[in-house]
Amino acid sequence: SQQGEEDPQALSIQEGENATMNCSYKTSINNLQWYRQNSGRGLVHLILIRSNEREKHSGRLRVTLDTSKKSSSLLITASRAADTASYFCAPRGSQGNLIFGKGTKLSVKP
Amino acid sequence: EAGVVQSPRYKIIEKKQPVAFWCNPISGHNTLYWYLQNLGQGPELLIRYENEEAVDDSQLPKDRFSAERLKGVDSTLKIQPAELGDSAVYLCASSFQGQETQYFGPGTRLLVL
Repeated sequence: SQQGEEDPQALSIQEGENATMNCSYKTSINNLQWYRQNSGRGLVHLILIRSNEREKHSGRLRVTLDTSKKSSSLLITASRAADTASYFCAPRGSQGNLIFGKGTKLSVKP
Repeated sequence: EAGVVQSPRYKIIEKKQPVAFWCNPISGHNTLYWYLQNLGQGPELLIRYENEEAVDDSQLPKDRFSAERLKGVDSTLKIQPAELGDSAVYLCASSFQGQETQYFGPGTRLLVL
């Protein structure tokens, strides 16, 4: 399946530190998206990276994509307590559906 | 701009009872998705609509689940009868046709007793 699998499952850091989350998938993709979910809320789209892109930035977020290794990473720099959430990668294949993994649960301690 | 609206936010029912969830997508979004999210898991697609047509319902358990999107705007997801294992969060999302970003509602948290 092209389901994204995030690693680590849980991550705990101090405010101000950087957080890195990894994602692996199995089949070819058109793009890969990252979403954030705060406790008890819906998902919020963070960033989309296309299969012909290697790196993309948005504010404190940096996403990389290595299609040869079928992997992606999400880096959050200078983390804040408000970044505490679950982060999901979602590869998108040719049929158009997103396949979410189990997510990485990030805890940022003040 | 109003986001995706879902109701109710919470629902508690006894097993074997019917339940329905309602979703109003962002205005102008013709693609609508229903997802199921179990605790500690990512969302799993149940059904995807393009306007009023269900273009992918392969993951919808059709023996007890049904969905409709009359007039290609609001959508309703129904479970009849509900089972204990249906306890989960039901998320609705929408997007412009052809655009990849999905916008999610807050979800309906269902508890089946």
